[in-house]
Amino acid sequence: AQSVTQLDSHVSVSEGTPVLLRCNYSSSYSPSLFWYVQHPNKGLQLLLKYTSAATLVKGINGFEAEFKKSETSFHLTKPSAHMSDAAEYFCVVSGAGNMLTFGGGTRLMVKP
Amino acid sequence: DTGVSQDPRHKITKRGQNVTFRCDPISEHNRLYWYRQTLGQGPEFLTYFQNEAQLEKSRLLSDRFSAERPKGSFSTLEIQRTEQGDSAMYLCASAGRGTQNTGELFFGEGSRLTVL
Repeated sequence: AQSVTQLDSHVSVSEGTPVLLRCNYSSSYSPSLFWYVQHPNKGLQLLLKYTSAATLVKGINGFEAEFKKSETSFHLTKPSAHMSDAAEYFCVVSGAGNMLTFGGGTRLMVKP
Repeated sequence: DTGVSQDPRHKITKRGQNVTFRCDPISEHNRLYWYRQTLGQGPEFLTYFQNEAQLEKSRLLSDRFSAERPKGSFSTLEIQRTEQGDSAMYLCASAGRGTQNTGELFFGEGSRLTVL
C-alpha cells in the first residue's frame, strides 16, 4: 500500500518570497508521484509528475519538485510566489490502475 | 470546452432522498474515476471504470452507492437513502490510453452534495 503525508496543512508566504510545500511518501515499490493544485471553484489540475526519470521535476507556473528516495520526500518549491499561486496543493502517489492516493492538502496563502 | 463535465454542480437534498450525479469524461478517454472530497481533506478514491467495466471499488462505497458506465462513455453515481455524512464534493476524472501508466487524471469541477 502507498500513502503520502503533507507535513503542513497551511503555509503562508509573502509575494516574491520562496515557496516550500513538504510531502513524504510511503510505497512498497518505486512510486509515481504527483502534485495537483486546486483553485477555488476549479477542478484539480496536474502541476507536475515524477515517474522514475529525472529526480528534479519541473512543472507549470515555475514550480519544481525533487524526488529524494533516501528521505522518501517529494517537496514542492517555487523561487518566487505570486498572488495567483494561492490555492490548495495535493501531493499524490499513483497505484495500480492509475488509482491516485491524495495527501491531506496544503493551503498556500500569499500575502501582498 | 472538451474537459470533464459534471452535473449538477450543486445538489441540496433532505436525508433519506436519492441523488444521482452524472459525469461526461473527455471523449477519447477509456478510464473514468469517482472520488469524494470532504471539507479540508484530500480526495478519496471511490471507484473506477475501464470502458464499461467497473474494475475497482473502495470500501468507502457502501451498499447505498452505485456507479454505472453503461456504454463506456458517461457515468452516473447514485446515492440512495442519503445521510448527512454523505455531504461532500463528488469528483469525476478521466484518463486516456496515452496516460495509462503515468497517473495523470483530468478532473471535472465536481458536484457538491449537501444533505440536510
